[in-house]
Amino acid sequence: QLQLKESGPGLVKPSETLSLTCTVSGGSISNNIYYWGWIRQPPGKGLECIGTFYYGGSTNYNPSLKSRVSISVHTSNNQFSLNLSSVTAADTAVYYCARLNSGPDAFDIWGQGTMVSVSS
Amino acid sequence: DTQLTQSPSFLSASVGDRVTITCRASQGISSYLAWYQQKPGKAPKLLIYAASTLQSGVPSRFSGSGSGTEFTLTISSLQPEDFATYYCQQLKSYPITFGQGTRLEIK
Repeated sequence: QLQLKESGPGLVKPSETLSLTCTVSGGSISNNIYYWGWIRQPPGKGLECIGTFYYGGSTNYNPSLKSRVSISVHTSNNQFSLNLSSVTAADTAVYYCARLNSGPDAFDIWGQGTMVSVSS
Repeated sequence: DTQLTQSPSFLSASVGDRVTITCRASQGISSYLAWYQQKPGKAPKLLIYAASTLQSGVPSRFSGSGSGTEFTLTISSLQPEDFATYYCQQLKSYPITFGQGTRLEIK
């Protein structure tokens, strides 16, 4: 059974870089069948897709974050990571990683989420 | 970007009621629409994809319809576990976008 789990610091200082890792178990991120992505949710607000990628293919970033975000893949550990630079309080959110299944064109498996606060 | 607007934003209903949530897209998205349910402190759960296909394991009281720019999620007979927030999502074009959510509360 495929599972995803986010990990990383729960507190980041303003202007620094937020770095999170998603560890995938029960399946390989390099099987070229699925896309993978990061989604975030500020406290009490809705969902925002940060970006998605397809192993060996393209990465798509939300234009609203594109200048600050990068997603990278670490196949040896079956992980992918998120880096978001120059953070502000507006980046405080629960960050989810998820599998984007191109069959249904939907995020069908999600991690539990990790809360990241931006504060000095 | 394709904007998704859900209505209503808040809905109060009773167990056994039939409820409908609407999602309108700012441009045509064919049937590239999914619905999610989210409970407090939990990740969203996929309910429906391709506008009307029920995800495996989701109760049949949930149904979806629509294409183009207008979509609906219907719960035929509300159960206590259905009180949650519901989101629509489009994947017709990048960036992937979500509606603002509909919070379904117990009357």
